Amino acid sequence: GESVGLHLPTLSVQEGDNSIINCAYSNSASDYFIWYKQESGKGPQFIIDIRSNMDKRQGQRVTVLLNKTVKHLSLQIAATQPGDSAVYFCAVPMYSGGGADGLTFGKGTHLIIQP
Amino acid sequence: EPEVTQTPSHQVTQMGQEVILRCVPISNHLYFYWYRQILGQKVEFLVSFYNNEISEKSEIFDDQFSVERPDGSNFTLKIRSTKLEDSAMYFCASGPGLAGSSIVFFGPGTRLTVL
Repeated sequence: GESVGLHLPTLSVQEGDNSIINCAYSNSASDYFIWYKQESGKGPQFIIDIRSNMDKRQGQRVTVLLNKTVKHLSLQIAATQPGDSAVYFCAVPMYSGGGADGLTFGKGTHLIIQP
Repeated sequence: EPEVTQTPSHQVTQMGQEVILRCVPISNHLYFYWYRQILGQKVEFLVSFYNNEISEKSEIFDDQFSVERPDGSNFTLKIRSTKLEDSAMYFCASGPGLAGSSIVFFGPGTRLTVL
């Protein structure tokens, strides 16, 4: 089955620096990817998504890069702020990518922002 | 901004007891989900629900689990006979069901503690 993993369990960056969180996936047929942020004691919060027909997508201070060749995606956060401290998960639909699909989540990277 | 709500925030129960976790999805969403997260681990899909029936379920969602949408606003997860290993955060989620999108919005979670 699909497995989704993250390269680092913890990433510590200085406030104001850029951060990059990585994710690898196993199923080359996966065509849709989502990043979620989970703050302590809260549910996952949608950040940004990307389809496989794109290799880059930008949001507000966030950019997701997709490399289908090596089955890798990354989340870049520009000018990190204290509020960015959270666990970040990548997720892929379990099946066809339709509305009823459950999501397979990666293990999560804990981003720590140092003052 | 509309959001998914869940009650209770924390449920403590004795092993073997039945529990019902409650959720109010976002009002115009069509797809409803339950996920769980064991402490320190990744978020795991349990079940999706659409058009008043289960769409997909994972291996975790065995006969001890059931879901129901008893009225137009609530969505519940019942665990018939709780086990110690059912202790986890349970997240309800809902999604608009946009074509080709698996974006879902999570509630704050219910922390279930089985003693």
